[in-house]
Amino acid sequence: EAQVTQNPRYLITVTGKKLTVTCSQNMNHEYMSWYRQDPGLGLRQIYYSMNVEVTDKGDVPEGYKVSRKEKRNFPLILESPSPNQTSLYFCASRTGQGYTGELFFGEGSRLTVL
Amino acid sequence: AQSVAQPEDQVNVAEGNPLTVKCTYSVSGNPYLFWYVQYPNRGLQFLLKYITGDNLVKGSYGFEAEFNKSQTSFHLKKPSALVSDSALYFCAVDFSGNTPLVFGKGTRLSVIA
Repeated sequence: EAQVTQNPRYLITVTGKKLTVTCSQNMNHEYMSWYRQDPGLGLRQIYYSMNVEVTDKGDVPEGYKVSRKEKRNFPLILESPSPNQTSLYFCASRTGQGYTGELFFGEGSRLTVL
Repeated sequence: AQSVAQPEDQVNVAEGNPLTVKCTYSVSGNPYLFWYVQYPNRGLQFLLKYITGDNLVKGSYGFEAEFNKSQTSFHLKKPSALVSDSALYFCAVDFSGNTPLVFGKGTRLSVIA
């Protein structure tokens, strides 16, 4: 089954404790992206990757890091989480050929930073 | 500045009635336009897209959307709403083909039995 898998789905952590949210896709997609969803703000892009070893900042990259060492994986790293990073996070992927393909989303990771 | 707007935070409609969820964009050129739906505790799912061609696009679950270039709009429609259509709907725009997708803030649709 074609899917984007995120882990963990739910996480409560404390300020400053480094964490990683993993994302993996099995569709051989070139393009991957991370979004955060907040009430009243919709979806905002954090980082995206057009292909392996190619990443770029989205609209709200501060406080986040990403890496794309393999085509299928695109982890989101919070080096020192803060309460304003409490949010619902989504990973998404699509084919990179042209820009007409739809995004496939993971089920989301709800993060709470105390 | 390039932007996408969903002017209604909430749309309420009775089951069986037609529904419209509005989306407008501000851009020069020819954008690619998408609609996504998010059910509770789920990720977003693709509904339909407009790239080129016929202005009326048909998608999943009986939804359709009409591209109106003069009004820079891409409203989502369905002739007869179902309670199961209740969800959060996002319009998204790819402005140039070289920039990532930009999402609207979402419209919550409630279909009342």
